Amino acid sequence: GAVVSQHPSWVICKSGTSVKIECRSLDFQATTMFWYRQFPKQSLMLMATSNEGSKATYEQGVEKDKFLINHASLTLSTLTVTSAHPEDSSFYICSARDPRATLYEQYFGPGTRLTVT
Amino acid sequence: DQQVKQNSPSLSVQEGRISILNCDYTNSMFDYFLWYKKYPAEGPTFLISISSIKDKNEDGRFTVFLNKSAKHLSLHIVPSQPGDSAVYFCAASVIQGAQKLVFGQGTRLTINP
Repeated sequence: GAVVSQHPSWVICKSGTSVKIECRSLDFQATTMFWYRQFPKQSLMLMATSNEGSKATYEQGVEKDKFLINHASLTLSTLTVTSAHPEDSSFYICSARDPRATLYEQYFGPGTRLTVT
Repeated sequence: DQQVKQNSPSLSVQEGRISILNCDYTNSMFDYFLWYKKYPAEGPTFLISISSIKDKNEDGRFTVFLNKSAKHLSLHIVPSQPGDSAVYFCAASVIQGAQKLVFGQGTRLTINP
């Protein structure tokens, strides 16, 4: 299947600082990428849909000014958690669909563990 | 409003036997369903999917069944192997449109030797 990478795999930051997470499609071009968040022992919750060359579409309840998404190229989307607080500590995962595939499955990155102290 | 539900948080199965994981959904607009396997601190790995025009899809040891009238799908793994121990998520999507995935809560499958 298609390969999606994320960087960093884990990050610890102090409360009030900003953190940027990168999501890359390594062997295909993705016009659309998705950002999810997973709290311990819970399901993956979609935060936003990242669209190349246009604004992201955020799910209800997700603060767009706090979670900044930029999809500047067909292989890279970034999620910036601004003014992070301890409650933002979570596992953040991105995904993308390979447009070459005949099926509609999404391929996920390995995730980024964010801990805000 | 949980549109996709996996009511069994955990399942324990003997190695070599069949594992059956269940999933229910409420939104009749969903027309594409997927199963993912996930290990801790890793992203989900795609296993198998099914379109609403089918009622069964098979890939090796994995078979997914879809009952549209009951809004129910299941994943069968046979024979179960120790390496199958993981958390399994079902997800649903609408093909036309944003293609967002809505996930269930997950079922932790443990295969006992």
